[in-house]
Amino acid sequence: QKEVEQDPGPLSVPEGAIVSLNCTYSNSAFQYFMWYRQYSRKGPELLMYTYSSGNKEDGRFTAQVDKSSKYISLFIRDSQPSDSATYLCAMRLSYNTNAGKSTFGDGTTLTVKP
Amino acid sequence: NAGVTQTPKFQVLKTGQSMTLQCAQDMNHNSMYWYRQDPGMGLRLIYYSASEGTTDKGEVPNGYNVSRLNKREFSLRLESAAPSQTSVYFCASRASAGGRYEQYFGPGTRLTVT
Repeated sequence: QKEVEQDPGPLSVPEGAIVSLNCTYSNSAFQYFMWYRQYSRKGPELLMYTYSSGNKEDGRFTAQVDKSSKYISLFIRDSQPSDSATYLCAMRLSYNTNAGKSTFGDGTTLTVKP
Repeated sequence: NAGVTQTPKFQVLKTGQSMTLQCAQDMNHNSMYWYRQDPGMGLRLIYYSASEGTTDKGEVPNGYNVSRLNKREFSLRLESAAPSQTSVYFCASRASAGGRYEQYFGPGTRLTVT
């Protein structure tokens, strides 16, 4: 079993929809939780970053971490065609351990149709 | 500020040929990473360098070697390419292996081994 499991998708939604992207994990020692966005034929770029449990909001994006359930989510409100991309969740251990290596999910490809 | 740059962008090799993928960052980051990305398999860590002068194996190091040439540059070498190494290769850098710093990715190198 993989340490990080991500809903595989692909996901196709109409413009303006609320999108929910999800990952589960098995290692309770993960402390840092990230979401990366990757446009086609480009490198991943950091979208959201959360430390420990809780919610973090940035514009139309909300990252949610539930450490008790080992579950993280990314919500996109009022989705736009420009949000069409592959979204990767990533996690890593606490400060200064494991050389800062992150464990990535396999990614969910989202298409937002006009 | 170019961020993380990778050369070449595309490469086609025959089985058994060798090549070196180049990566450079201009952000004065200490840590650098090499990943491969295959369809449905997310990002898998090949090698990493937590700081200048150190390198360590990641999840899938077989068939690869690395050199941390200096603080800016981290190269990945395929000594005898195999079709299983057909993939997209991403280099990433991070300010420090510890702390609340996240990875910045390059644009990738698309490698095909025939």
